[in-house]
Amino acid sequence: EAGVVQSPRYKIIEKKQPVAFWCNPISGHNTLYWYLQNLGQGPELLIRYENEEAVDDSQLPKDRFSAERLKGVDSTLKIQPAELGDSAVYLCASSNPDSHEQFFGPGTRLTVL
Amino acid sequence: SQELEQSPQSLIVQEGKNLTINCTSSKTLYGLYWYKQKYGEGLIFLMMLQKGGEEKSHEKITAKLDEKKQQSSLHITASQPSHAGIYLCGADIWGTYKYIFGTGTRLKVLA
Repeated sequence: EAGVVQSPRYKIIEKKQPVAFWCNPISGHNTLYWYLQNLGQGPELLIRYENEEAVDDSQLPKDRFSAERLKGVDSTLKIQPAELGDSAVYLCASSNPDSHEQFFGPGTRLTVL
Repeated sequence: SQELEQSPQSLIVQEGKNLTINCTSSKTLYGLYWYKQKYGEGLIFLMMLQKGGEEKSHEKITAKLDEKKQQSSLHITASQPSHAGIYLCGADIWGTYKYIFGTGTRLKVLA
């Protein structure tokens, strides 16, 4: 069974540029999470989807961050414009309704210059 | 302030030694999860604890949740270099949909 897929794995951009990350969850997993992880810290939830509905986006900086999961399967997280402080690892995870166990992708490491 | 406190922040042990990592919350937890992360990779689920006093084991790793469901310990017996990595606890806060992580414990095992 394929795990959570994320792309790209690494991205280097200049500040003020836009950037997008893509996540394909495990087949059948209705819940999808986007996390931000700074160096030496635990992941912090940005947004959680139940199917195509964003049920918790309270920690998403909506002035520059946006996310979508149009068909309730794969998801895109966008930052526009990126700032130096956005440099971090962006993790995607998924889970099924019967379990609290989250399966994580390898993450996208973003460097903003 | 951090809602899930982990200690120690880092740990260096000699191969074969036992070690313990702690995770403490000021709030009652619905579930407590332990993950392992290697540098540049995503988190790998180790185990989930839900009942007060519950204890689970996987190979040489044992985790326990206290009766009040506010503290958990992860114990590794006879550590090996393959145990090296970052151990993170995550938790559902009781009565909320909030899911949070601790800051992690970086473990290094010397061969």
